[in-house]
Amino acid sequence: DSGVTQTPKHLITATGQRVTLRCSPRSGDLSVYWYQQSLDQGLQFLIQYYNGEERAKGNILERFSAQQFPDLHSELNLSSLELGDSALYFCASSVEDRTGNTIYFGEGSWLTVV
Amino acid sequence: GDSVTQMEGPVTLSEEAFLTINCTYTATGYPSLFWYVQYPGEGLQLLLKATKADDKGSNKGFEATYRKETTSFHLEKGSVQVSDSAVYFCALKGGSQGNLIFGKGTKLSVKP
Repeated sequence: DSGVTQTPKHLITATGQRVTLRCSPRSGDLSVYWYQQSLDQGLQFLIQYYNGEERAKGNILERFSAQQFPDLHSELNLSSLELGDSALYFCASSVEDRTGNTIYFGEGSWLTVV
Repeated sequence: GDSVTQMEGPVTLSEEAFLTINCTYTATGYPSLFWYVQYPGEGLQLLLKATKADDKGSNKGFEATYRKETTSFHLEKGSVQVSDSAVYFCALKGGSQGNLIFGKGTKLSVKP
């Protein structure tokens, strides 16, 4: 158990809909990351927050957004869903934002868009 | 930009065989290097890491040495078990970006 908690574990929704994925980082971790894992794209970095502020942005679509709240939990919002958005979405956290800090991953949220 | 290249899979070995999964990287600066493992149906788990040149990371019989001169971080295990069957990801952190950059993953299957 990494200490990173993600909900829901599984989600099935229709095209055009909107979903919210939730993440609680490890206790004391200030940095939260979101990654998308799909068969064709592999593991893609989406976005990073550090202590409530956006720190880095990767290959995140405009239909997707995220935020980190004062209690440090984070949410990833996916809207106008398409079939191609079906993937495993990981949240991860680390203490700080330094190169050597280990990033710990949650078990992921499986999203299926039908 | 920064990138990680790891050997294509799948890799199929017999139990007790020697394992090597090659990983090379391209990065500016001095990144940290990681191996993560994903068991079937599970999330990503940190296997080992190295934060500077010549460091050796080790865990559960796996080891990897950070080689700056060859920009490599190959994963090795002397005797694999069926329970080692999983997908292994090489990753770097640092360089020009603060987040983890992953290789495409190598699927390992160990047969009894």
